[in-house]
Amino acid sequence: ELKVEQNPLFLSMQEGKNYTIYCNYSTTSDRLYWYRQDPGKSLESLFVLLSNGAVKQEGRLMASLDTKARLSTLHITAAVHDLSATYFCAVEPDSSYKLIFGSGTRLLVRP
Amino acid sequence: SQTIHQWPATLVQPVGSPLSLECTVEGTSNPNLYWYRQAAGRGLQLLFYSVGIGQISSEVPQNLSASRPQDRQFILSSKKLLLSDSGFYLCAWSPDRSHSGNTIYFGEGSWLTVV
Repeated sequence: ELKVEQNPLFLSMQEGKNYTIYCNYSTTSDRLYWYRQDPGKSLESLFVLLSNGAVKQEGRLMASLDTKARLSTLHITAAVHDLSATYFCAVEPDSSYKLIFGSGTRLLVRP
Repeated sequence: SQTIHQWPATLVQPVGSPLSLECTVEGTSNPNLYWYRQAAGRGLQLLFYSVGIGQISSEVPQNLSASRPQDRQFILSSKKLLLSDSGFYLCAWSPDRSHSGNTIYFGEGSWLTVV
């Protein structure tokens, strides 16, 4: 059974600090996705990582993928309050049409 | 541009009543379509996906069903709701049947409370 595990599940951090969210998965996959969800809202696509070593950055967020280690990271640089949300990683198992999601990391950025 | 519409946005239904959630995608053709469910404070569970009209794959056994009567229409149904069916239901689509790294876009979601 495919497992996608995120840690931490909850993260409280101060504004201006850096931190990393980790996403481990248990099957072969070249494709890893990151989404953001605000409370009571739908999911917003952040990054699509399509190959080993892929790195993408948008503002204070940077995502990377290591397919050999089956690990993706979402790094937050100099956090601001607007980044408070739940972040999900999702994996597309090889040759499938579907995404399997992790449990999510709830991020709270404190002043 | 492509858009996805999902309705109703919220509903409260008694146990044993039927359910119908509808989703349509505009501005594209031959999309992959998905239904996910999110229980309160939890991750997303894939319920159904479809790569074409009349083609439905079910991911988990349950009292829900899905249908795709038209290329860009996806319907989630139940004949008799259970309390455990409560949650946030999200319809989603991806641009083409190969998917192949295209991201999946989500609708606004439907909040279902079964009482």
